[in-house]
Amino acid sequence: SQTIHQWPATLVQPVGSPLSLECTVEGTSNPNLYWYRQAAGRGLQLLFYSVGIGQISSEVPQNLSASRPQDRQFILSSKKLLLSDSGFYLCAWRIQGARGYTFGSGTRLTVV
Amino acid sequence: GNSVTQMEGPVTLSEEAFLTINCTYTATGYPSLFWYVQYPGEGLQLLLKATKADDKGSNKGFEATYRKETTSFHLEKGSVQVSDSAVYFCALTNDNDYKLSFGAGTTVTVRA
Repeated sequence: SQTIHQWPATLVQPVGSPLSLECTVEGTSNPNLYWYRQAAGRGLQLLFYSVGIGQISSEVPQNLSASRPQDRQFILSSKKLLLSDSGFYLCAWRIQGARGYTFGSGTRLTVV
Repeated sequence: GNSVTQMEGPVTLSEEAFLTINCTYTATGYPSLFWYVQYPGEGLQLLLKATKADDKGSNKGFEATYRKETTSFHLEKGSVQVSDSAVYFCALTNDNDYKLSFGAGTTVTVRA
């Protein structure tokens, strides 16, 4: 069966510290992968998406970056966190050409 | 570009009340439409979807009909329960679009 794993579930980091959130997908090959962020009291904003290994598209300029070192692994990173990076980060995948998206359980990041 | 406009919340209801959450969209072509639900502390789950005009998506007592003439996809449930308390997101994607565009989300609280 197809599953998506996202960790950690919660994270508290000081301003200026680095960040690495990982997302892995099982049971499928060559998925489209996505990182979304939900800031407090706001909707979901697409941050990055990837259609293949090493292929990353950024939707908004920001303090974050993404990488896809393997087909089913998607990593969200930052060299120095800002307070404004706090939020709920969701990884998602979709089979290329299909219309359904599957979301991970999310990581709640608090930058202090 | 694609956009989704969703009824603002929060919405507070009593058990067994009727729920409607309005959603309208702007998109090119023939998008697929979705409702996602986020229960407290969790990630997003697909609630229902519709892929063409006049389709009705349904799940867990919720329904939404794809109305191309009014570019709408309103979510309804005839009798809500406390367990329906969650944030509801309307979303769309086009066949050739890599992105899922979300509305801002509507927080629904059902009181016993």
